[in-house]
Parts: sequence; structure tokens; C-alpha cells
Amino acid sequence: DSGVTQTPKHLITATGQRVTLRCSPRSGDLSVYWYQQSLDQGLQFLIQYYNGEERAKGNILERFSAQQFPDLHSELNLSSLELGDSALYFCASSQEQIRGQGEQFFGPGTRLTVL
Amino acid sequence: GENVEQHPSTLSVQEGDSAVIKCTYSDSASNYFPWYKQELGKRPQLIIDIRSNVGEKKDQRIAVTLNKTAKHFSLHITETQPEDSAVYFCAATTSGTYKYIFGTGTRLKVLA
Repeated sequence: DSGVTQTPKHLITATGQRVTLRCSPRSGDLSVYWYQQSLDQGLQFLIQYYNGEERAKGNILERFSAQQFPDLHSELNLSSLELGDSALYFCASSQEQIRGQGEQFFGPGTRLTVL
Repeated sequence: GENVEQHPSTLSVQEGDSAVIKCTYSDSASNYFPWYKQELGKRPQLIIDIRSNVGEKKDQRIAVTLNKTAKHFSLHITETQPEDSAVYFCAATTSGTYKYIFGTGTRLKVLA
């Protein structure tokens, strides 16, 4: 157990719908990362937050948005869902040892299925 | 844009043999290179990392080498065991960018 929690574990929805994925980082970690892992694919970096502020964006679609709240939990919002959005979404947290570089602790992931 | 290429995509070795996975990065400013192991149905976990001021790092049966000139780094696993079977991801990042670029993964199978 990494100490990072994600809910829900599974999510099945229809095209065009909107969902929210939730992540709670390890105690003391201020940094949260979101990744998308499609079937047999690598980890695609989506977005990163540090202490409530967005710091980096990767290949995140405009239909996707995220935020980090004062209690440091983070939510990833996916809207106008398409079949291709079906994937495993991971959240990771880090202590940020050296300007964004350090071990990331991954949550168990949320498996999203869009029908 | 930044890119990390990883090879091979699949690798099968006999138990006890060595396994080598190679990654090449495009951003010459990249200076931190972690390797993550993802067992089937589980979350990725860091197994070893290296910074650009070091050419090699070892941790028991695992080692990573870095060639900054060639923008190339490799994971070496010696005396492989069945429990080493997993997908391995390399990644690269540049200090201060907070963006991690991951390779596409290598599925390692260790045959008993």
C-alpha cells in the first residue's frame, strides 16, 4: 500500500457523460500527478499540482480538467466522454525532493470504461 | 516535443539470465531518470533512479547506466527470477519542469 488512495476503483459510463475521479495523496505530500494508461500503453502525463496550484500540463485534453483542494486531495474531471477515454487513470504523489524530482507513489488507479 | 523511446517492447529470458532494457530521450536538459515496475493489475513502483551527475547506480541485482552524450539510459537486471516478470517503464524529467515523460514500457517475462 503506497498510502495514496483513489476512488472509485471502477467507473462505467456512457459517451457524452461527465465523471470525477478523486485522489488523496500520502500524508505530507504536497505534489499530485495525474496519468492516463490506456490498454497496453505507457503512462501519459496529464497534469501536476503542488499545494493547490497547477504547475505542469502534459497531453491533457481540453475536455479534461483538474484541481487540488486546500486539504491536498485532487480531482480529475473528464467531460464529453468518448470511447477512447476508456483507460486506467493513476494519481501519484511526491514529496518533491529536488525541484520536481523524486519518487512518485502511485495510487491503485481508477479504471474508466466508456460505453 | 519531449519523447522517450523504450526498447524492446517485450523481452523473454530464462531464469538466472540477465535482462537489459534501453531508453533514449530527446530533451538534452533532462536530468532525472527513474525506472518503475508495474506488476499485472498493480500500481507502478519505483525500483531505481539516476541523476545526470552519475553514470551508473546499482541496487543489488538492479543497475542503471546513463550516457548523457548519447541521451541514452539502460536498466540491467542480473540473475533474473520469476518475480521479476512485470512491465518496466523508464521516464525522464527536467528539473523545474515537473513533467515526466514515460517510455511505452517493456513486458519482461522470466521463464522458469
